[in-house]
Amino acid sequence: EPEVTQTPSHQVTQMGQEVILRCVPISNHLYFYWYRQILGQKVEFLVSFYNNEISEKSEIFDDQFSVERPDGSNFTLKIRSTKLEDSAMYFCASRGQGGDGYTFGSGTRLTVV
Amino acid sequence: DAKTTQPPSMDCAEGRAANLPCNHSTISGNEYVYWYRQIHSQGPQYIIHGLKNNETNEMASLIITEDRKSSTLILPHATLRDTAVYYCIVRGRSSGSARQLTFGSGTQLTVLP
Repeated sequence: EPEVTQTPSHQVTQMGQEVILRCVPISNHLYFYWYRQILGQKVEFLVSFYNNEISEKSEIFDDQFSVERPDGSNFTLKIRSTKLEDSAMYFCASRGQGGDGYTFGSGTRLTVV
Repeated sequence: DAKTTQPPSMDCAEGRAANLPCNHSTISGNEYVYWYRQIHSQGPQYIIHGLKNNETNEMASLIITEDRKSSTLILPHATLRDTAVYYCIVRGRSSGSARQLTFGSGTQLTVLP
């Protein structure tokens, strides 16, 4: 069964450093998403991406965040200057044109120290 | 998207049916009911969705009341691996749109040996 692949599974970074979280969505999917989940809290939407541009973003997705699909297969989330409160699980998801199901990756656990 | 209400937690004996309720009294005619689950901080996993007819797949059954104001997800023979947070989400059909899923707090289902 096709999967959404996320790397790394766990990343530790120092406050103020830049991090890039990587995702390989399912190959024929067209819609891409990033979510995050702070420990013990809800899964929160960050951003959706379609046709090489952002479709929608939440209030959380401020200027320190950016997304990119550099080569037609990878989908990345960059956090420019990490803060302690950015520590969370980050999930990538993708969806096909006519499909209803969103397929999520297994996540990247980001720890900012 | 219509708001949903779910009990915060439920227990179920292994091998028995788990019946997870969801209220969505403000659902509109073109909104679907989706169920996802999240096993211990893994990425959310699609289970099933429906509009007004009852639906069944290899994972579960979805029973939607005639007035569509509530639904029940049924796991017919729960196993320990079904222990997870189950999310009931109401939203319009995804096709042709990048609209995201909005997760609530869900129901923590614990399957007891």
